[in-house]
Amino acid sequence: ILNVEQSPQSLHVQEGDSTNFTCSFPSSNFYALHWYRWETAKSPEALFVMTLNGDEKKKGRISATLNTKEGYSYLYIKGSQPEDSATYLCALRNSGNTPLVFGKGTRLSVIA
Amino acid sequence: GAVVSQHPSWVICKSGTSVKIECRSLDFQATTMFWYRQFPKQSLMLMATSNEGSKATYEQGVEKDKFLINHASLTLSTLTVTSAHPEDSSFYICSANVRQNTEAFFGQGTRLTVV
Repeated sequence: ILNVEQSPQSLHVQEGDSTNFTCSFPSSNFYALHWYRWETAKSPEALFVMTLNGDEKKKGRISATLNTKEGYSYLYIKGSQPEDSATYLCALRNSGNTPLVFGKGTRLSVIA
Repeated sequence: GAVVSQHPSWVICKSGTSVKIECRSLDFQATTMFWYRQFPKQSLMLMATSNEGSKATYEQGVEKDKFLINHASLTLSTLTVTSAHPEDSSFYICSANVRQNTEAFFGQGTRLTVV
């Protein structure tokens, strides 16, 4: 059974602070790593799909890096805003035809 | 992005009754949809893969006779929780991909409470 770990479980930051959290996964049989943002009462929204070792992707103030050899990905948020408050999920796909395996998520609260 | 609509968003039912949850892809066709369940403080756990026109594929430990999945068209998959018990109370959510191996698009989820 694949094990995807996310840390920390929850995080409280002040508005304007930058923050980051981690997703760890088995480095063998890697195919793709997904990041989703899940706001309360809404559907999870895809942020990034990363496939190559060393990948770095950016969307506005949010960016992510990927290290497939050591089995981790970081998600960074620069200058956090209250609207960034959400649960951030990472999910692993270990081959082209298999479903996603999710971590438990990191719950971010940004305090104004 | 693509839109997946799921309803109801919450339902309370009596023990022993059945509940149907619908998942629709609104602006694309989905030959495959995925059903997940999430218990408190746990991750989204895949229950089954719903395949249009054929039988669903269930994950180990998920009873196919209890969680009936029907994927009769390219835009609709349904999950029916039969003879629901309080331990079936959970958050159920579906997803689909526009193209294989791309990002997943999720429904809004259904909070099921069995009393």
